[in-house]
Amino acid sequence: DIQMTQSPSSVSASVGDRVTITCRASQGISSWLAWYQQKPGKAPKLLIYAASSLQSGVPSRFSGSGSGTDFTLTISSLQPEDFATYYCQQANSFSFTFGPGTKVDIK
Amino acid sequence: QLQLQESGSGLVKPSQTLSLTCAVSGGSISSGGYSWSWIRQPPGKGLEWIGYIYHSGSTYYNPSLKSRVTISVDRSKNQFSLKLSSVTAADTAVYYCARETRIFAFDIWGQGTMVTVSS
Repeated sequence: DIQMTQSPSSVSASVGDRVTITCRASQGISSWLAWYQQKPGKAPKLLIYAASSLQSGVPSRFSGSGSGTDFTLTISSLQPEDFATYYCQQANSFSFTFGPGTKVDIK
Repeated sequence: QLQLQESGSGLVKPSQTLSLTCAVSGGSISSGGYSWSWIRQPPGKGLEWIGYIYHSGSTYYNPSLKSRVTISVDRSKNQFSLKLSSVTAADTAVYYCARETRIFAFDIWGQGTMVTVSS
């Protein structure tokens, strides 16, 4: 099974800050990596798919990069509505695995 | 616009079978190119993929749950279902249904339903 790790597990930031979250896969997954945002009591929302493609309707301040085993999600200028938990997710061999999550909270 | 809605028992006794249904509206579950998944999230914890069923009816399950999981589809009702047998307290979670597309990501989610395993 492919395991996913994320760092940091939490980050405190201010509005306007640039935030970067890292996701690492235990083996290569090409570019089959997605990122989600989840707010308390809500379902996750797809932000990025195929490592770097922005889902329709998602603000352009969100971007993704990487391939193989190492990936990043960047929020270029944090907005009040971006305080949430972010999860990466890999797809490989008819199976999916999520990372443990990164909580972005207010500094 | 496609929408998903979970329903089922919110309280299940240990050792019994958890049963949930996801109703699909605004589109057909038989549309090619999609798979339909169940994902769960224990309180305060992360997301765990349970399994999915393709439009063709093929199923794939998380190896850690495979022996207890069955996902099926009812095309006449435009819905798919989850059965998880021999539940324990560790199966207490919010259960989501979701659509996976050719991009290997889950683009549409239900609102989630809380299931508690307790006697």
